[in-house]
Amino acid sequence: SQTIHQWPATLVQPVGSPLSLECTVEGTSNPNLYWYRQAAGRGLQLLFYSVGIGQISSEVPQNLSASRPQDRQFILSSKKLLLSDSGFYLCAWNLRRVGELFFGEGSRLTVL
Amino acid sequence: KQEVTQIPAALSVPEGENLVLNCSFTDSAIYNLQWFRQDPGKGLTSLLLIQSSQREQTSGRLNASLDKSSGRSTLYIAASQPGDSATYLCAVFSGGYQKVTFGIGTKLQVIP
Repeated sequence: SQTIHQWPATLVQPVGSPLSLECTVEGTSNPNLYWYRQAAGRGLQLLFYSVGIGQISSEVPQNLSASRPQDRQFILSSKKLLLSDSGFYLCAWNLRRVGELFFGEGSRLTVL
Repeated sequence: KQEVTQIPAALSVPEGENLVLNCSFTDSAIYNLQWFRQDPGKGLTSLLLIQSSQREQTSGRLNASLDKSSGRSTLYIAASQPGDSATYLCAVFSGGYQKVTFGIGTKLQVIP
């Protein structure tokens, strides 16, 4: 069966520090991968998606970037965190453009 | 632009009651609709996916219906249990990888 792992679960970082959140999918090949951010009282916001290795599409211009170095690995990064980067980050995958989405456990980022 | 609304925002029911959660969307040209549950501080767990050609899907005590023409979906939970307490979100797939719109969710509390 397929599983998705996301880490770290919780992260507290000072303003201006770098960020790296990782997501790995197991049990499938060629997944579409997504990074979402969830803010309290608001719907999920798509940040990045990837349909293949090295292929990244950005939906929101901001202080973050994403990379896909391997087929089932998706990384969310920042060189210098801002206070506004605080939030709950979710990685997800599916096999078809409109196929069922599966989410990881999420990463809670607090920037101080 | 697709907009997804979930009403009510919060719901409290006694254990054993049957209940209905609502999801409405503004653009009926959708591919799929997916229901999720989210426990506090956790990721989203997929409950049901309804394809645009389907009218309903069932899984255990859950039944989800879809009426594209009226822009509505309902999630019916039979014989509710305290373990059903969570936030329930619906997501509408409008075609592109980036065209998945989430509702803010309905927070359900089932009282023992």
